[in-house]
Amino acid sequence: EAGVAQSPRYKIIEKRQSVAFWCNPISGHATLYWYQQILGQGPKLLIQFQNNGVVDDSQLPKDRFSAERLKGVDSTLKIQPAKLEDSAVYLCASSLAVGEQYFGPGTRLTVT
Amino acid sequence: GESVGLHLPTLSVQEGDNSIINCAYSNSASDYFIWYKQESGKGPQFIIDIRSNMDKRQGQRVTVLLNKTVKHLSLQIAATQPGDSAVYFCAENIYGGFKTIFGAGTRLFVKA
Repeated sequence: EAGVAQSPRYKIIEKRQSVAFWCNPISGHATLYWYQQILGQGPKLLIQFQNNGVVDDSQLPKDRFSAERLKGVDSTLKIQPAKLEDSAVYLCASSLAVGEQYFGPGTRLTVT
Repeated sequence: GESVGLHLPTLSVQEGDNSIINCAYSNSASDYFIWYKQESGKGPQFIIDIRSNMDKRQGQRVTVLLNKTVKHLSLQIAATQPGDSAVYFCAENIYGGFKTIFGAGTRLFVKA
């Protein structure tokens, strides 16, 4: 069974630029999560989808971050414009239901 | 507020010894807890979980203990191996499992 796929794996941008990350969850997983993991910290949930609907986006900085999950499968997370403090690893995870989450390898973003 | 924390940021053990990683949580409404292992450059990987109606659960070389009275969770790894070197996170599920909060993590070093 294929795992959660993410791309790109690494991205370096200048502040005020835009960036987008892509995630393809495990087939059949209805729930998809985007996390931000700053170096030395645990993952922080940004947004959670159930199929193509948003379950929780309370910690998503909506003035600059946006996410969508069209057709309830793939998802994209966008940052526009980026700030220095956005430098982090962005993790995508999926699950069948609540409980065990399967994580992708993450995208390491560096904002200079 | 909601928080999941860890007592020790780093733990160093000798190969073959047992490891104990501790975690404190603050939300008494949490009903499900998960331990994840994160190796360098990878996303977190599920190790073991436990529901709030249990106080102990065993897996292969790992045991999770839950003490709801003091809101404490621990992960015990038997006969620690070099491959166990990683950062370990406890995660707390609240709101019926629809929200997961990760702790900051404990880095485990295994000395050969």
